[in-house]
Amino acid sequence: EVQLVQSGAEVKKPGESLKISCKGSGYSFSTHWLGWVRQMPGKGLEWMGIIYPADSDARYSPSFQGQVTISADKSISTAYLQWSSLKASDTAMYYCARPVNAFTYGYIFYWGQGTLVTVSS
Amino acid sequence: DIQMTQSPSTLSASVGDRVTITCRASQSIGDWLAWYQQKPGKAPKVLIYKASSLESGVPSRFSGSGSGTEFTLIISSLQPDDFATYYCQHYNTYLYTFGQGTKLEIK
Repeated sequence: EVQLVQSGAEVKKPGESLKISCKGSGYSFSTHWLGWVRQMPGKGLEWMGIIYPADSDARYSPSFQGQVTISADKSISTAYLQWSSLKASDTAMYYCARPVNAFTYGYIFYWGQGTLVTVSS
Repeated sequence: DIQMTQSPSTLSASVGDRVTITCRASQSIGDWLAWYQQKPGKAPKVLIYKASSLESGVPSRFSGSGSGTEFTLIISSLQPDDFATYYCQHYNTYLYTFGQGTKLEIK
């Protein structure tokens, strides 16, 4: 059974750094792209970017380029979303999401349970 | 970049109604479009892929159509479980653009 299990909720202060994780199991982690989606409180879904764990090829939506870093460690089947300096506007639910098929940008079938990030002074 | 625009943003309907949600792409995307349903506090769930293919296990009252720049999601007879937010999404590109969502409310 394919599973994406995300790290737990975080409460941080503005300016702090943060790295959240998404661990995949039940499939070949390296050969499936894995993406991140932001959902701010009461708002819609926003695609942030995606990574191919086999070679750590990361691609970003223009709105998020330079704002976050997506990485992966294929040896432990885990992808990461990282901020170097959080802002209050980063407060959101973050989902990891996997396309249905290997190698391709297929439609998203598998989702993590979400990680709530709260940034407040 | 391709933009996806959904309408309406909010839709009030009753159980048994037929509802239509529209999604327009800023340029042709072929049939690389999926529809998702999201309920509060839950991750989205795919309903339709490749514009008109029904995902396994999804009730047949959901259907999708369109190609190029205009797409529709139709729910033929609303059930209580269908009140949720619906998103279209362009895929087959690393950008995976979402529409802004349509909240389906009980009238």
